[in-house]
Amino acid sequence: DIQMTQSPSSLSASVGDRVAITCRASQTISTNLNWYQQKPGKAPKLLIYAASTLQSGVPSRFSGSGSGTDFTLTISSLQPEDFATYYCQQCYSTPPYTFGQGTKLEIK
Amino acid sequence: EVQLVQSGAEVKKPGESLTISCEGSGYIFTKYWITWVRQMPGKGLEWMGRIDPSDSYINYSPSFQGHVTISADKSISTAYLQWSSLKASDTAMYYCARLFYGSGTYNWFDPWGQGTLVTVSS
Repeated sequence: DIQMTQSPSSLSASVGDRVAITCRASQTISTNLNWYQQKPGKAPKLLIYAASTLQSGVPSRFSGSGSGTDFTLTISSLQPEDFATYYCQQCYSTPPYTFGQGTKLEIK
Repeated sequence: EVQLVQSGAEVKKPGESLTISCEGSGYIFTKYWITWVRQMPGKGLEWMGRIDPSDSYINYSPSFQGHVTISADKSISTAYLQWSSLKASDTAMYYCARLFYGSGTYNWFDPWGQGTLVTVSS
């Protein structure tokens, strides 16, 4: 199975900061990579699919990049509502669908 | 609006059986797989399995095979996750999600149900 590793596991940042979360696959997955946002007590929400395509309704301050084994989720200017946990997920070799362990983004 | 609505929270004792549900609306239920995801308290997301509601073909994660049963009733646009004998370690939030296929090999989970909290305690 393909393993997904996110870094960092947690991150403290301030409103207005630019932040980046990385995700590494244990083998190449082309651009078959999705990003989800989960707020406390809520279900995950799709942010980005196919590594860089923004889901409808997602603010343009979110962007995704990468291919092969290394991927990045970038938030250009953090807003208060962006503080949440973010998960990457590979959809290249499925099933199984594997997620990263999550990155918790907290307010500094 | 496409949505998945899950059944309510459950509190059970070890050894009891349980079935939780996930009802789809706003789209043709048989055109998309439904997938189930576990989230244990304070932990990450784990994929459990998926079902094609059109013919009830199922794939399980090896980690969950034999521990849960996934099923669907296409006549009422509902998928199910079932346990025959719960353990305390089954305490978790369980989410269903629609598996959407885009172009080529791209696919993703969207939307998600609101989650069903299962608590197993003596």
